[in-house]
Amino acid sequence: GEDVEQSLFLSVREGDSSVINCTYTDSSSTYLYWYKQEPGAGLQLLTYIFSNMDMKQDQRLTVLLNKKDKHLSLRIADTQTGDSAIYFCAERTGYSTLTFGKGTMLLVSP
Amino acid sequence: EPEVTQTPSHQVTQMGQEVILRCVPISNHLYFYWYRQILGQKVEFLVSFYNNEISEKSEIFDDQFSVERPDGSNFTLKIRSTKLEDSAMYFCASSPRDSKNIQYFGAGTRLSVL
Repeated sequence: GEDVEQSLFLSVREGDSSVINCTYTDSSSTYLYWYKQEPGAGLQLLTYIFSNMDMKQDQRLTVLLNKKDKHLSLRIADTQTGDSAIYFCAERTGYSTLTFGKGTMLLVSP
Repeated sequence: EPEVTQTPSHQVTQMGQEVILRCVPISNHLYFYWYRQILGQKVEFLVSFYNNEISEKSEIFDDQFSVERPDGSNFTLKIRSTKLEDSAMYFCASSPRDSKNIQYFGAGTRLSVL
């Protein structure tokens, strides 16, 4: 079945770049997503990439997709303390289903 | 900025009771979803809803669950007879007509079954 895997924790210093990695299993996925969840809040859509793209850049965010290896990454440039949150990778499977990873907790220290 | 609104933020109920979780999707969105996240586990898909009917559902969405769009703005999830294992965060999401690949989530309702 479909599965999405992420490392559980990442710690960086303010101003550094953060790279959060994700692997997925469904090769037919058409869209892949990154969501952010701050404490007590819902899932905020950060960015997404269509499966025929290799890269997407949106301000401080860069998404890289390696479809051959089924690997997705999210790079946050100049990470700030306000970026501390849980980041979820998700793939679109089925007609409308999103399959999520367990989330990576990003901790940014001053 | 428009957002998906869920109420209540926290619902406490006794085992065996019925609960209704409420959601107001973003105006003009046409696709609606429910997901849940048991503490420490992944966010799991429950059901999707379009044109007043269920379009897709997961194995979790058994006969104890139902969804309804009772009017033009609300989208509800009903659990008929709650079990302890139904305790979770329930997220509602919606998608616009021209971009059903993009799902916008609410802040969630934490359901605690005692």
